[in-house]
Amino acid sequence: AQSVTQLDSQVPVFEEAPVELRCNYSSSVSVYLFWYVQYPNQGLQLLLKYLSGSTLVESINGFEAEFNKSQTSFHLRKPSVHISDTAEYFCAVRGLSSGSARQLTFGSGTQLTVLP
Amino acid sequence: NAGVMQNPRHLVRRRGQEARLRCSPMKGHSHVYWYRQLPEEGLKFMVYLQKENIIDESGMPKERFSAEFPKEGPSILRIQQVVRGDSAAYFCASSPPGGVSYTFGSGTRLTVV
Repeated sequence: AQSVTQLDSQVPVFEEAPVELRCNYSSSVSVYLFWYVQYPNQGLQLLLKYLSGSTLVESINGFEAEFNKSQTSFHLRKPSVHISDTAEYFCAVRGLSSGSARQLTFGSGTQLTVLP
Repeated sequence: NAGVMQNPRHLVRRRGQEARLRCSPMKGHSHVYWYRQLPEEGLKFMVYLQKENIIDESGMPKERFSAEFPKEGPSILRIQQVVRGDSAAYFCASSPPGGVSYTFGSGTRLTVV
């Protein structure tokens, strides 16, 4: 079984400032890691994912996340945020194997609010 | 290539009625997952289905909830005799065989009055 902890439920930050959204996970097996973004009254959109290889993964809109196996973390960062980045961000994990391990386990989410 | 389609987008039911939520996966996707999001909470896994098979229903409440994914047509999440506590957003996701990441639909927001 896996679990995900997002330590900050609310993160307010001023426009053009850097931001880090924290995510720690627990798992007895190797995992894939994901960040999803949810805008108000919408579904979840995949932001980025770590499957294997380079521990630093990037999205097309400037976000990046680094997989740290020893600290079991997958923190999301952006060096300069925009008003349009205001949304709820969810960290998720799933096991590598098939069957019941395919389900995604989500953290409770972090509401990022970018202030002008 | 349409994404994951969920309907209705919003559903209002009175206590005791039945709610039927539909999910059409992306073309080529044969795996479907249902998640529930309660207010101010993250998404909780409910059930994982493949065509005509329930693979994992460990997140489904023991009573009143059922899901199916028939050979033809959309996946259906059915809630019988709804109660106020069933009010939530229900999201469906799909993936192809062997796929790693999922594509989510826009959700059905169920309100029980």
